[in-house]
Amino acid sequence: QVQLVETGGGLVRPGNSLKLSCVTSGFTFSNYRMHWLRQPPGKRLEWIAVITVKSDNYGANYAESVKGRFTISRDDSKSSVYLQMNRLREEDTATYYCSRYYFDYWGQGTTLTVSS
Amino acid sequence: ENVLTQSPAIMSASLGEKVTMSCRASSSVNYMYWYQQKSDASPKLWIYYTSNLAPGVPARFSGSGSGNSYSLTISSMEGEDAATYYCQQFTSSPYTFGGGTKLEIK
Repeated sequence: QVQLVETGGGLVRPGNSLKLSCVTSGFTFSNYRMHWLRQPPGKRLEWIAVITVKSDNYGANYAESVKGRFTISRDDSKSSVYLQMNRLREEDTATYYCSRYYFDYWGQGTTLTVSS
Repeated sequence: ENVLTQSPAIMSASLGEKVTMSCRASSSVNYMYWYQQKSDASPKLWIYYTSNLAPGVPARFSGSGSGNSYSLTISSMEGEDAATYYCQQFTSSPYTFGGGTKLEIK
């Protein structure tokens, strides 16, 4: 069965960096574009980044709220997608999810808290 | 960006009651997607391409709409349907979500 498992969340101070990982199984990872989304406490879901597949040159696209600070990447050999988050702000506090394709499967989420 | 506005924000329904919730887009979209989220759980794809039920979704759910206006309907409310439902579009980046409709049992 399809599984996505996010790790790497935690408590960080504003301005610091963190890298999230999402390990997947149960499908041919290299065939699917992958996304990161987030949900701040009590707020709506927000899409933040997508990475395409090798045939599309692993193109990436970002929401304006994270552009220039966050970088999405993938390792098809490990069936994993990553989110490097730099210059973190308090408003980045959220549960972060990875998802594939048209958001048909989601991970369980990992929580990031940015606070001094 | 395409802003999705859901209404109502909160609603309650009795068991067996018909439920309809709406999603309006600021710009026309090709299709609408719906997700169900229960407390402390990840969202689940519920309806795709406006009216197609995701695997495992009960047939009492349906989706409809076109252009700027879409809706999700439950023909007969059941207890397990209590959740927050989000609409979402892939027509244009960023891929935006509505603010959600929280459905409670009356």
